[in-house]
Amino acid sequence: GQNIDQPTEMTATEGAIVQINCTYQTSGFNGLFWYQQHAGEAPTFLSYNVLDGLEEKGRFSSFLSRSKGYSYLLLKELQMKDSASYLCAAMDSNYQLIWGAGTKLIIKP
Amino acid sequence: DGGITQSPKYLFRKEGQNVTLSCEQNLNHDAMYWYRQDPGQGLRLIYYSQIVNDFQKGDIAEGYSVSREKKESFPLTVTSAQKNPTAFYLCASKPGEDTGELFFGEGSRLTVL
Repeated sequence: GQNIDQPTEMTATEGAIVQINCTYQTSGFNGLFWYQQHAGEAPTFLSYNVLDGLEEKGRFSSFLSRSKGYSYLLLKELQMKDSASYLCAAMDSNYQLIWGAGTKLIIKP
Repeated sequence: DGGITQSPKYLFRKEGQNVTLSCEQNLNHDAMYWYRQDPGQGLRLIYYSQIVNDFQKGDIAEGYSVSREKKESFPLTVTSAQKNPTAFYLCASKPGEDTGELFFGEGSRLTVL
């Protein structure tokens, strides 16, 4: 079956670095997405990886290893506004997104 | 500004009533989607449409219905047959089935009393 796993909750300190991991199993693979979702709001797009390696975008970076079925989202210089849920989603061979349950990130001062 | 508009943002319904959630986009996207979000679970696909006058069932279509009479509009009806309709509903769109990231509306929170 198709499955996405990511931690339920993580806690980090303002100004620090945090890495949110995601493992996936899908029927075929057409890329891996990360979204940010603040409580009660819509998800917003953060990154897309389809090739192995690291993609950097400001304070946020995303990594993909297709052979390991693994991705992570790296957040640097954490700010209080980064407190949110982070959703990992893999696109299968039919271009359907398989979603993880999300990782709630709590930032402490 | 281009975007996706969902309405209403909050909706209360009595058991046995049908309700329709509106979703309008002015991004000129072909593909539109309806997801349901429950606490502790990933987004679950209800219905999707890749072109006007055509739509497909997602993983949890039972108790829901949709229409796609215009490119811009993809309303979702939650029928009385849906056993547990209280949830956060998200509409999304993207340029094509196999292209680009999803753009989401602000969501509609439905509560059944």
